Amino acid sequence: EPEVTQTPSHQVTQMGQEVILRCVPISNHLYFYWYRQILGQKVEFLVSFYNNEISEKSEIFDDQFSVERPDGSNFTLKIRSTKLEDSAMYFCASSVGLAGRGTYEQYFGPGTRLTVT
Amino acid sequence: AQKITQTQPGMFVQEKEAVTLDCTYDTSDQSYGLFWYKQPSSGEMIFLIYQGSYDEQNATEGRYSLNFQKARKSANLVISASQLGDSAMYFCAMRVGGYNKLIFGAGTRLAVHP
Repeated sequence: EPEVTQTPSHQVTQMGQEVILRCVPISNHLYFYWYRQILGQKVEFLVSFYNNEISEKSEIFDDQFSVERPDGSNFTLKIRSTKLEDSAMYFCASSVGLAGRGTYEQYFGPGTRLTVT
Repeated sequence: AQKITQTQPGMFVQEKEAVTLDCTYDTSDQSYGLFWYKQPSSGEMIFLIYQGSYDEQNATEGRYSLNFQKARKSANLVISASQLGDSAMYFCAMRVGGYNKLIFGAGTRLAVHP
């Protein structure tokens, strides 16, 4: 069964460093998302991406964050200068499309646990 | 404001019994959808079930069913015949906006006892 994959599973970085989190969405999916979950809290939307551009972003997604689809399969989240409060689990998700039965379901990857020290 | 509320921080159920996890939502959109995800202790988010606002029948997926009451703005998850492996955190979510971002509730931790 197709699945969303994410690498690495765990990333430890020092404050101020840049990190890139990688995702491979399900191959026929067109809509891509990043969410984060701070330990013990609810899952929060960061950004959605369609047709090679950001379609929506939250107030969390400030200038320190960027997303990219560098090729036909990868979808990346970059944090330019990490802060302690960026420590969280980051989930990538994808869905087929906007309309029609079965196309709204968002499938999540296993997550990348980011620890900023 | 668009919001998901899960009022049960924790629930206990005996193995093989059914359990209902509550979810209420608030939105002014006419088109929306409700999701349930399971998050085991390993951390991944597993999609369980989806209900569209225009779907006339309640969604079912195996042992999971969604009790959708549109007038009450509730979308409760019913798990029939609970298994030990059902012990996990369960999140209700709603897709909103033109690009279907999900907003999540705070979650309910379910413990299944033998």
